Amino acid sequence: SQTIHQWPATLVQPVGSPLSLECTVEGTSNPNLYWYRQAAGRGLQLLFYSVGIGQISSEVPQNLSASRPQDRQFILSSKKLLLSDSGFYLCAWSRAGHEQYFGPGTRLTVT
Amino acid sequence: TQLLEQSPQFLSIQEGENLTVYCNSSSVFSSLQWYRQEPGEGPVLLVTVVTGGEVKKLKRLTFQFGDARKDSSLHITAAQPGDTGLYLCAGPVGYSTLTFGKGTMLLVSP
Repeated sequence: SQTIHQWPATLVQPVGSPLSLECTVEGTSNPNLYWYRQAAGRGLQLLFYSVGIGQISSEVPQNLSASRPQDRQFILSSKKLLLSDSGFYLCAWSRAGHEQYFGPGTRLTVT
Repeated sequence: TQLLEQSPQFLSIQEGENLTVYCNSSSVFSSLQWYRQEPGEGPVLLVTVVTGGEVKKLKRLTFQFGDARKDSSLHITAAQPGDTGLYLCAGPVGYSTLTFGKGTMLLVSP
């Protein structure tokens, strides 16, 4: 069976500090990978998605970047965090079709 | 832009009551998905509806896809506290991505 991991689970970072969130998927190969941000328990905002190693599509211009150094690894980064980067970050994967499977999320608080 | 509007935004009911939440769009979708998200966790896929007019049942949850494939509904019979959570609908955009509604937050009190 497939599993998806995210870490850390929670993170408190000062404004201007760097960020690295990691997501890994087990039990499948060549998945589509996604990063979302969710504010205040509401809808999901798609930030980045990747259909293969080194292939990144950005949906929203912002202070963040993404990389996919390995088939089942997806990383969300920032060089300098802003207060507005606070939120709940979710990683997801999908295979054929559009059904997506989400990780447990990372709660980021920028202070 | 294909948008999904969900209603109501928030619903608070007592255990044992029935409820229906809605997901509407002005666009046609090839399919729609429903997810449930509990506080502090990632969304979990409940069902995918594909055919116009399709009805799917998952225990006490009944999902329906509109005939024109522009809307969907979720009906819960005899709600229980374990049904509490954020219910999200989502539809495909292009080949690889989904668009999500803003969700209906359901609170079921004992």
